[in-house]
Amino acid sequence: GAVVSQHPSRVICKSGTSVKIECRSLDFQATTMFWYRQFPKQSLMLMATSNEGSKATYEQGVEKDKFLINHASLTLSTLTVTSAHPEDSSFYICSARGHQSNQPQHFGDGTRLSIL
Amino acid sequence: GQNIDQPTEMTATEGAIVQINCTYQTSGFNGLFWYQQHAGEAPTFLSYNVLDGLEEKGRFSSFLSRSKGYSYLLLKELQMKDSASYLCAVGSVGANNLFFGTGTRLTVIP
Repeated sequence: GAVVSQHPSRVICKSGTSVKIECRSLDFQATTMFWYRQFPKQSLMLMATSNEGSKATYEQGVEKDKFLINHASLTLSTLTVTSAHPEDSSFYICSARGHQSNQPQHFGDGTRLSIL
Repeated sequence: GQNIDQPTEMTATEGAIVQINCTYQTSGFNGLFWYQQHAGEAPTFLSYNVLDGLEEKGRFSSFLSRSKGYSYLLLKELQMKDSASYLCAVGSVGANNLFFGTGTRLTVIP
């Protein structure tokens, strides 16, 4: 089956640090990647959608200068949380999908970010 | 816009059968997905329905009625490891992303 690798799985860092999270599709070409955020016992909240080679589309209320997304190749997208603060602490999950919108999204294992 | 409803929590007994319902409203329906998410982990894909009817995959089956805007996920021979959240997600023509419901937290008890 389709495999998506997300790294790192856990980050603990000081306030003001920038954190980069990588999302890789290992066995298929991910035309589109998605970045989600999830708070405990709540549903997935879509932050942004990125297509390879173009700028990400951010959901309303998500600061694009705060959450930088790069999707430079068909197998890699990165999310950088810039100058992270305690309120940015959350579970961040990426997913990847092929070029057809009716294909399932395959999720990475998530990154638990804790800002002290 | 999109609207997806599923029960917040359900409890069922090991070995039993449980049905998790999902109702949706969307323009340009383009498929319905079910995902399983264990606490602290990312969702895993379970099933996809785009035509009316039942799709069976081992102990799990998923049903869709497009005219009623309704789907269910059926879990048979429940095991303790099936305790998880089950997410219903709908695709819409022209939209790149899926729209996720809030998930149903299933607890399987001995």
